[in-house]
Amino acid sequence: KNEVEQSPQNLTAQEGEFITINCSYSVGISALHWLQQHPGGGIVSLFMLSSGKKKHGRLIATINIQEKHSSLHITASHPRDSAVYICAVSPYRNNNDMRFGAGTRLTVKP
Amino acid sequence: EAQVTQNPRYLITVTGKKLTVTCSQNMNHEYMSWYRQDPGLGLRQIYYSMNVEVTDKGDVPEGYKVSRKEKRNFPLILESPSPNQTSLYFCASSVQSPYEQYFGPGTRLTVT
Repeated sequence: KNEVEQSPQNLTAQEGEFITINCSYSVGISALHWLQQHPGGGIVSLFMLSSGKKKHGRLIATINIQEKHSSLHITASHPRDSAVYICAVSPYRNNNDMRFGAGTRLTVKP
Repeated sequence: EAQVTQNPRYLITVTGKKLTVTCSQNMNHEYMSWYRQDPGLGLRQIYYSMNVEVTDKGDVPEGYKVSRKEKRNFPLILESPSPNQTSLYFCASSVQSPYEQYFGPGTRLTVT
């Protein structure tokens, strides 16, 4: 079983919809990261969080440490949000490690 | 502009021919890391470096070497590449770990 599980694997939405991507992990962590990978392949870090909630524009990331679960929300989705969203964790036992989820492929249709 | 650069961006080579993929960052970051990305397996960490002359293995270090002689550079060395090292490689850096990471543009390597 992977240490980091994401759901759903694929997600198709209509422009304007509210989107949620989930991430569950099985190890104690120092931090959790949400990354975005565009069709061209480049990877951008969206959030790093270890507790609570962070917001950047239309993107919101939350984490529940006790439940070992994080969610990435996109409000008022737009076709330019189409990308693969990847959850990753820095394990508490070695926070130089990075363990990745398989990614969620999001397609937003106009 | 703050960035992580990788070279080459694309490389096709043959089994056994030594190669180096360079990675350089201009942000004075202490932490640097190499990852490979494969369909169905996602991203996996190869090696990381906490600072100059300090490196350690990640999840999949076999067949790779690294060095960190200067803070800005972290090359990935494949001494004898094999077809199972065909992959998309990313270098990343951050102030320390765990902090937000900045990724390079990726190097697509094909070993025939």
